[in-house]
Amino acid sequence: NAGVTQTPKFQVLKTGQSMTLQCAQDMNHEYMSWYRQDPGMGLRLIHYSVGAGITDQGEVPNGYNVSRSTTEDFPLRLLSAAPSQTSVYFCASTYNRGSLGYTFGSGTRLTVV
Amino acid sequence: AQKITQTQPGMFVQEKEAVTLDCTYDTSDQSYGLFWYKQPSSGEMIFLIYQGSYDEQNATEGRYSLNFQKARKSANLVISASQLGDSAMYFCAMREGFHSGNTPLVFGKGTRLSVIA
Repeated sequence: NAGVTQTPKFQVLKTGQSMTLQCAQDMNHEYMSWYRQDPGMGLRLIHYSVGAGITDQGEVPNGYNVSRSTTEDFPLRLLSAAPSQTSVYFCASTYNRGSLGYTFGSGTRLTVV
Repeated sequence: AQKITQTQPGMFVQEKEAVTLDCTYDTSDQSYGLFWYKQPSSGEMIFLIYQGSYDEQNATEGRYSLNFQKARKSANLVISASQLGDSAMYFCAMREGFHSGNTPLVFGKGTRLSVIA
């Protein structure tokens, strides 16, 4: 099924551990992005990419790294997890132009203890 | 400054009644797109409706309509004939520089709608 696939769905990390949240889409979307959702804060943009090899920072990029080596994949890396990174993470993709709504993944619930 | 403001943290509506969820936005661009998303308790983000800044008519999608008032910079979502399944978080979002592409989607903080039987 076409869409955005996020893995894992749930993860518990210890402070200081590293991990990568995976995001893949099969719709040939140029644009991909990562958001975090915290209670009362809505969705805040972490990083985004407008195509392979191009990434940019969003509103809350600190503590996160991204890369975009292919059109399909946009992994989010936490190098040294902190309790403040406990959140629900969403990956979303769309075409760079046009009126189509973004397609969201199902989310990753991350807890850092 | 916030680009998207949703002033109603929570709202209640009686089943079968209509409800309006408020959204105001801030941009100096002439070209932008406005979106509404629904997030039920299961957590997925569901795209509901889109309005382009150059669209002359208000967008409609089934029971959803967007009351677009460009001069007031407001893009309120109207849900007609509310159903119990409409209980969810609703997010307003904007993408600036829309027709030139390459710009991120910015969200408001959301409104939690509860439909009462």
